[in-house]
Amino acid sequence: DTGVSQNPRHKITKRGQNVTFRCDPISEHNRLYWYRQTLGQGPEFLTYFQNEAQLEKSRLLSDRFSAERPKGSFSTLEIQRTEQGDSAMYLCASSPGLYTEAFFGQGTRLTVV
Amino acid sequence: AQKITQTQPGMFVQEKEAVTLDCTYDTSDQSYGLFWYKQPSSGEMIFLIYQGSYDEQNATEGRYSLNFQKARKSANLVISASQLGDSAMYFCASWGTGRRALTFGSGTRLQVQP
Repeated sequence: DTGVSQNPRHKITKRGQNVTFRCDPISEHNRLYWYRQTLGQGPEFLTYFQNEAQLEKSRLLSDRFSAERPKGSFSTLEIQRTEQGDSAMYLCASSPGLYTEAFFGQGTRLTVV
Repeated sequence: AQKITQTQPGMFVQEKEAVTLDCTYDTSDQSYGLFWYKQPSSGEMIFLIYQGSYDEQNATEGRYSLNFQKARKSANLVISASQLGDSAMYFCASWGTGRRALTFGSGTRLQVQP
């Protein structure tokens, strides 16, 4: 299967701990997106990469959040000093071009206790 | 800025019947695109159908069609011959000029009843 892959699928962490999620996009896609989705809501944009360059960040991406995409391949999203409000589904998507459909992974569900 | 509104939190439909899921959008862009995604309980967002703002004909993909009314700024999804496997959350989303990421609506939960 050559779709978007996210790991881990589920993560439970204690408040104050750091967590890191990984996303492997479809190999020929140079655009990669991170979204956050809370229960009953649509996905909210967090950040966007074109190749290795992080081109856009949402106001939702506080100082505790950092994302990287070294060498324009996989991406990681790190949350430092997690808070209960960070509990959500974190979705990664990739696309082959601007203004085309985005292909999503199955998400990482984070629970902060 | 893009804003997507889905006013139906939940919808029920009988198996084999057609159903329309509403979506309105607010944009000042001349060029934009509208998408519909399906999200089953497994969590993955599945692309269904796309309509560009300059497309003159309504998009169709198998049992899915998009009723695009540009003047009314609406892009409703029509699912024909509903199947039990169509039960899921459905999200309308859009791009806008200069907006590199999709903006999503709040979704509609569709339940198909046998």
